[in-house]
Amino acid sequence: SQTIHQWPATLVQPVGSPLSLECTVEGTSNPNLYWYRQAAGRGLQLLFYSVGIGQISSEVPQNLSASRPQDRQFILSSKKLLLSDSGFYLCAWSGAAGLNTEAFFGQGTRLTVV
Amino acid sequence: SQQGEEDPQALSIQEGENATMNCSYKTSINNLQWYRQNSGRGLVHLILIRSNEREKHSGRLRVTLDTSKKSSSLLITASRAADTASYFCATDDYNNAGNMLTFGGGTRLMVKP
Repeated sequence: SQTIHQWPATLVQPVGSPLSLECTVEGTSNPNLYWYRQAAGRGLQLLFYSVGIGQISSEVPQNLSASRPQDRQFILSSKKLLLSDSGFYLCAWSGAAGLNTEAFFGQGTRLTVV
Repeated sequence: SQQGEEDPQALSIQEGENATMNCSYKTSINNLQWYRQNSGRGLVHLILIRSNEREKHSGRLRVTLDTSKKSSSLLITASRAADTASYFCATDDYNNAGNMLTFGGGTRLMVKP
């Protein structure tokens, strides 16, 4: 069966420090991968999505970047965190384009930039 | 930008009552999906309705889709305290090559015992 792992669960980082959040998927090949951010009590904002290795699309200009070094690995990074980067980050995967498939989410990372 | 927008933003009901949440979207879609999120956790898929379907049931859940009005509703019947969560609609945009889901702002449902 397919599983998705996202870590860490919580993170407190000082302003100006780097960030690396990792997400891995098991049990499927060539998934679409997504990073979302959720502000408290709000909806999900799509940050990045990827349809294949090295293929990253960014939805909003920001202080963050994403990489997909392997088929089932998706990394969210920042060189220097800002206070506004605080939030709840969710990784997700779904089936390939053209299929009516659901998305499967990791448990999220709560990032607090202080 | 948001594709799906849920209405109401918050809903409080008594256990046993029905809860109805609505979602509106803007573009043509392949399908529309509803998700549930417990506080501080990831989202869990509830139900998917294809663009050529009008109604779908799953247990106590009933979803309708009106593509002419670009709207969907999620009905939870005989609600339970355990149904307390946030509920999100998500659209699979027909024009996106990557099967990308776009989420609305969610409805926060509280079911009082």
